[in-house]
Amino acid sequence: GENVEQHPSTLSVQEGDSAVIKCTYSDSASNYFPWYKQELGKRPQLIIDIRSNVGEKKDQRIAVTLNKTAKHFSLHITETQPEDSAVYFCAANSDTDKLIFGTGTRLQVFP
Amino acid sequence: EPEVTQTPSHQVTQMGQEVILRCVPISNHLYFYWYRQILGQKVEFLVSFYNNEISEKSEIFDDQFSVERPDGSNFTLKIRSTKLEDSAMYFCASSRDRTGQPQHFGDGTRLSIL
Repeated sequence: GENVEQHPSTLSVQEGDSAVIKCTYSDSASNYFPWYKQELGKRPQLIIDIRSNVGEKKDQRIAVTLNKTAKHFSLHITETQPEDSAVYFCAANSDTDKLIFGTGTRLQVFP
Repeated sequence: EPEVTQTPSHQVTQMGQEVILRCVPISNHLYFYWYRQILGQKVEFLVSFYNNEISEKSEIFDDQFSVERPDGSNFTLKIRSTKLEDSAMYFCASSRDRTGQPQHFGDGTRLSIL
């Protein structure tokens, strides 16, 4: 069935360090991979996305990479700041375009 | 920037009662979704809606659930007879197009069933 696995479940980094979150998807039809940031009690907020015709996309301190062959995609945050602390969810679309979410990564950035 | 809006922000209901959760999608969006998130867990798809009909629904979306677009702006989720396990955060989302388009989420309705 459709599934997205996400690792790690928790990630603690020192301010200024980089953070990497990895996801694996199962549906070969997936062609759209968004990343959402969710602060406590708030909505998932789209921070970056990538489509299957692109291998890498960058937006300031955030980058996402996609390996279609391996069905892996990753989120990279450089120069982390305390305000980056949140739960991050990866997702992949199905062939019917619903989003299948990963289990989330709780990122803590310590000053 | 336009946003998806949801009301109420928090709904407390007795088990067995009906609830209606309301959403106003972004105005030029055509595809609408409901997701739910049980506390501490991942976001789960419930249903998608396009052109005034359900496009897809998950196993969670059983006969107790229904969706409606009663007018040109609102999109509602109704749970006919709530159960304790329906307690969760319910998010509405909308997208302009279907294939590979960003889905924008509302702030959610926290549903608490007593």
